[in-house]
Order: sequence, then structure tokens, then C-alpha cells
Amino acid sequence: DAGVIQSPRHEVTEMGQEVTLRCKPISGHNSLFWYRQTMMRGLELLIYFNNNVPIDDSGMPEDRFSAKMPNASFSTLKIQPSEPRDSAVYFCASSLEAGGQQETQYFGPGTRLLVL
Amino acid sequence: AQSVTQLDSHVSVSEGTPVLLRCNYSSSYSPSLFWYVQHPNKGLQLLLKYTSAATLVKGINGFEAEFKKSETSFHLTKPSAHMSDAAEYFCVVSDRPGFQKLVFGTGTRLLVSP
Repeated sequence: DAGVIQSPRHEVTEMGQEVTLRCKPISGHNSLFWYRQTMMRGLELLIYFNNNVPIDDSGMPEDRFSAKMPNASFSTLKIQPSEPRDSAVYFCASSLEAGGQQETQYFGPGTRLLVL
Repeated sequence: AQSVTQLDSHVSVSEGTPVLLRCNYSSSYSPSLFWYVQHPNKGLQLLLKYTSAATLVKGINGFEAEFKKSETSFHLTKPSAHMSDAAEYFCVVSDRPGFQKLVFGTGTRLLVSP
């Protein structure tokens, strides 16, 4: 199994530009999570999907952030317009939820975003 | 809300000596608890998880953790540290029973010297 795949691995952009992060979850998993990791705030859950439907987006910072999951094998996290304070490592994770029970979340390698 | 507190931001040990990484949790119900490890520039990997079965949980790479309800603790231990154990370790609690949302601690960086 290839695991959770994220692209790009590194992104450097200028303030005001649109940034799109991509994630391919593990095949067969029905839950997908986007996290952000910074030195100041640690790991924060931004949003999670179950069966392609957003369940909890309370961690999304503001309207500049949006996430979609058009199908079971692909998700995007978009920042428009980007700001320097968005610089962080963004992780995608996936898991299999069965019978309402918590299953292990498997993390991708992350996308390191730097907004200048 | 559920939370975890990792009591040490950094722990330094010598190779071959025991490792103890401390974690206390706060939960209004019987929680699911996890330890994840993150090596430099890598994603997070699950070490072990507790889900109300045996209180002593064995994980990968020789790590184990003991759930102590009376002390609200879930400390991570390993009898003998290896250089490859140097990484950041996160204690994690699930937000609600069987719920997917995880709450991460602030992390403990483990340094292993030769």
C-alpha cells in the first residue's frame, strides 16, 4: 500500500496567491482529515470528511480556507488568498470508520508551505 | 472538552537507558488514547493505542504505555533507547467515544545520545 499521498511536498508562494494542497487517502478508507502543524499552535485539526461529506470544519481558520472531497480518492485544501501566517506543515490523514468506532489515522508526509 | 498534557517538552537519554515520556489526560468519559511518533520531516506514525481493553498496551519498536485511570495518566516507556528513537512524540486523546476527532498534545522531543 502506498499510504496517504500528498502533493506538493513543498510549496513556496507569495502573499495573495492561491495555494492548493492535494491528498490521496489510503484506498478503502472512508474518513479523511486535514491538519495544520505550527510551532506556536502544534497540531490542529482543520476539517474532516466521512464518506466524502464534511463532518466538522470548526477548525478551519477563516473563509480564506476551503476544502473539498469530490470523490473517495481525492481531496484538496485551498487557501485564497494566502498570507504569511498560513506558513505551516499541512498533513492529510485517513482512516476507516466502521460501526462508529475510532480507527487508526494514517498520516501522509505533509506539505511544507511557506508564504512570503 | 478532552485534553492531554505532555509534561516535558524535551527528554534526553543515553542510548541503552530507559525512556519515560509523560502524559496526563482530561476526559469526562473513558477515553481512547494514542501515542504517535514523528521523525524529522516525516508524517506521524502510530506507536500504540488504548481503547479500554488491557491497561498495558504494547506498541511498535519496543514501546509500551500503561493506562492509569486513578492518575489520569498514559505514560510511554521503553526499556532501552536506541539512536533511531530520537523523534517528536505526541500523546493524543479522542474527542468523544468512537469519535474521529483527535486532540493532540504539544509533543515531547526525545534526544538520544551515544
